[in-house]
Amino acid sequence: QKEVEQDPGPLSVPEGAIVSLNCTYSNSAFQYFMWYRQYSRKGPELLMYTYSSGNKEDGRFTAQVDKSSKYISLFIRDSQPSDSATYLCAIQRGSSYKLIFGSGTRLLVRP
Amino acid sequence: ETGVTQSPTHLIKTRGQQVTLRCSSQSGHNTVSWYQQALGQGPQFIFQYYREEENGRGNFPPRFSGLQFPNYSSELNVNALELDDSALYLCASGLAGAAVNHEQYFGPGTRLTVT
Repeated sequence: QKEVEQDPGPLSVPEGAIVSLNCTYSNSAFQYFMWYRQYSRKGPELLMYTYSSGNKEDGRFTAQVDKSSKYISLFIRDSQPSDSATYLCAIQRGSSYKLIFGSGTRLLVRP
Repeated sequence: ETGVTQSPTHLIKTRGQQVTLRCSSQSGHNTVSWYQQALGQGPQFIFQYYREEENGRGNFPPRFSGLQFPNYSSELNVNALELDDSALYLCASGLAGAAVNHEQYFGPGTRLTVT
């Protein structure tokens, strides 16, 4: 079983839609949760970083963590064509800097 | 832009050869990690350096080695290249201290093709 599971997509939505991206993880020892955005042929860009269960909002982006279900989500409101990219979830133990990534979900926002 | 730079952008090597990839960390950061990203996959952790010493290693053989320099730039060396080493190699810098910071910022990557 992989430590982090992520649906590869692709996920295609019309402009303005609310997008929901999700990951599940297997080990309750993980404490830190990140979302990265990666455009084609570029390095991952850190979008959101959360520690505890609950929601964290930054502009159009909301990260949600449910530690009891080992489930993390990223919501994008009012999606734009420029949001088209691969979204990677990453998890981390408290004592390690090692990031464990999901395989990424490819998102396409149609104009 | 994260301020993390990598060189070269891409290169082609032959199986059995050796390669050195370089990374310049974001100013003020003192950790650097290297990741391998195969096509269609998430990045896989290779190792991390903190204060010029290896501070953790993923499931990669010893022919993957690295260095971190006093100016916090870093190198990834891969010996005896294999076809499966073809991937995007990413470095990420961060700041570690008493108040651990888990935010890591990635460079644009070096795309390595082994033929």
